[in-house]
Amino acid sequence: NAGVTQTPKFQVLKTGQSMTLQCAQDMNHEYMSWYRQDPGMGLRLIHYSVGAGITDQGEVPNGYNVSRSTTEDFPLRLLSAAPSQTSVYFCASSSSGEQETQYFGPGTRLLVL
Amino acid sequence: SQQGEEDPQALSIQEGENATMNCSYKTSINNLQWYRQNSGRGLVHLILIRSNEREKHSGRLRVTLDTSKKSSSLLITASRAADTASYFCATDNNFGNEKLTFGTGTRLTIIP
Repeated sequence: NAGVTQTPKFQVLKTGQSMTLQCAQDMNHEYMSWYRQDPGMGLRLIHYSVGAGITDQGEVPNGYNVSRSTTEDFPLRLLSAAPSQTSVYFCASSSSGEQETQYFGPGTRLLVL
Repeated sequence: SQQGEEDPQALSIQEGENATMNCSYKTSINNLQWYRQNSGRGLVHLILIRSNEREKHSGRLRVTLDTSKKSSSLLITASRAADTASYFCATDNNFGNEKLTFGTGTRLTIIP
């Protein structure tokens, strides 16, 4: 199992550009989530999905779109990048159930100039 | 807003000593989890404690949960240099594991 994979590892964008952060998991997990982590802070939830075709907003969804067409993939789209979106982005997946924990990808470092 | 707040924000101890970090949260929960993050890496799950449990052990880790005070503590015994990392608590706020709320973390440094 590769677990949770994210691409790219690092990206530099100019203000106004768009891009898609890719996330894939091979554990057949129902739940997938996107978080951003800013210096000195914990993770904040952007969007999440409880299954294919179902997505919902988290704490900081503005400026981001997601879709979940398959169980395995959960891409995060930045429509028009802003410097405030400079951050490290983590994708996570988990199964349903009270004892299940989240498995995290290695992260994507995004710099918006 | 952050659900969990860790205390202290940073902690430096000598190798072999015990490290204790605390987490406070605001709403009711089904479970509370602790994660470790090494510099530049993703988070790794350490331990989960359910709301009806008061204490749980895993190797050198001991977690306590006090739901009346909405607080938890993580104790790492006999610390090692490899324990140097940031530690985060996360709560589910009575939702599922797809909507965890993370604290701001404790940066632990183990001095060899």
